[in-house]
Amino acid sequence: QVQLHQWGSGLLKTSETLSLTCAVRGGSLSGYYWSWLRKSPGKGLEWLGEISHSGVTNYNPSLTSRLGLFVDTSKNQLSLTLTPLTAADTALYYCARVSYNNGRPFDFWGQGSLVSVSS
Amino acid sequence: IQLTQSPSSLAASVGDRVTFTCRASQAIGNTLVWYQERPGKAPKLLIYGASTLQDGVPSRFSGSGSGTVFTLTINSLQPEDFATYYCQHRSNYPPNYTFGQGTTLDIK
Repeated sequence: QVQLHQWGSGLLKTSETLSLTCAVRGGSLSGYYWSWLRKSPGKGLEWLGEISHSGVTNYNPSLTSRLGLFVDTSKNQLSLTLTPLTAADTALYYCARVSYNNGRPFDFWGQGSLVSVSS
Repeated sequence: IQLTQSPSSLAASVGDRVTFTCRASQAIGNTLVWYQERPGKAPKLLIYGASTLQDGVPSRFSGSGSGTVFTLTINSLQPEDFATYYCQHRSNYPPNYTFGQGTTLDIK
């Protein structure tokens, strides 16, 4: 059973950098795309971007200039950086696996990382 | 593509049958996905391809629709079904994923 375990910075200030990591257990990064998403009170569920095991990335057009996604196949881990932060980036962040089933659903999710940004 | 879910909230009782709707701003074939989100938990995949049940999801859940109108039906509601439900679509060019705003199912 694939499990995603994520961790990273929680309380941050505006203009700082968010860094999150997601470890994939019980499966390999290979053959899949891996996404990051977030949920905030104001915007609901929002897709941030995705990365393949080989490092090919697709970003939400609204975040392209601030978002970085990375993969470390030796550690079976994904990572996210988002900078500079604003209060609007306050949210619960998730990593998730993208299935190849119809609609490309997210079939496995991390437990979520709560991020709060203040001035 | 925008996804609009209705109603935004719904109250029902254990044993009831409920139906939620997700409308797409343009035709998307059958590439619609449904998730369940319980408080404090990550979203859980229920249905993909508009009507295919994900492994392990109880058969009281069903999905239907194509084009622009999709429905999620739950037969014989169980206590654990009271949650928020989201629909989702992936556009290919450029790749982008869109979610509906969610329907919250509360206990009556």
